[in-house]
Amino acid sequence: QVQLVQSGAEVKKPGASVKVSCKASGYTFTSYDINWVRQATGQGLEWMGWMNPNSGNTGYAQKFQGRVTMTRNTSISTAYMELSSLRSEDTAVYYCAIHGATTNAFDIWGQGTMVTVSS
Amino acid sequence: SYVLTQPPSVSVAPGQTARITCGGNNIGSKSVHWYQQKPGQAPVLVVYDDSDRPSGIPERFSGSNSGNTATLTISRVEAGDEADYYCQVWDSSSDPWVFGGGTKLTVL
Repeated sequence: QVQLVQSGAEVKKPGASVKVSCKASGYTFTSYDINWVRQATGQGLEWMGWMNPNSGNTGYAQKFQGRVTMTRNTSISTAYMELSSLRSEDTAVYYCAIHGATTNAFDIWGQGTMVTVSS
Repeated sequence: SYVLTQPPSVSVAPGQTARITCGGNNIGSKSVHWYQQKPGQAPVLVVYDDSDRPSGIPERFSGSNSGNTATLTISRVEAGDEADYYCQVWDSSSDPWVFGGGTKLTVL
């Protein structure tokens, strides 16, 4: 079955970077865009950006421009989201999600990765 | 950028009908998607393109969209429907994917 499995929880210090992975299985990795969404504790969903795994093309939310980088390794069907210059407000659960597998929406989501930024 | 407005909370008794709204400027011209999120879990798509249901989602979940308001309707509400619900649209602006602030559905 189509599945996205994300890397484990991370604890980082302010100013550091974090790189979260999202491994896809059950479908052709290059077929569907991968989006990243984050959610601070007790808050709503916030879209961060998208990546086309086939071309590597990306689009980032204005809020994260200059701090976020989305990449992929097609040989291992894995997408990555790296966020730099971390601050406490970046403490959140980060999700990857496929767009367009069976619908026009975010069909399949990863389980989420908790990133804690603390000194 | 485009803004979606949801009520923070909706309460309903079991067996009744819950309606969760999502307001946006001329949202009726856009395709609206709805996600259900239970505590500690990833969101799950429950309605897409205003009113279609993904495979495996009960018929009790339905949607509509017109004018400036989209609505997720949950009929015959069950205790297991208690969750946060988010609407989402694609907008041709600087940040194309937009989520509403979310609505907490409480089953009394």
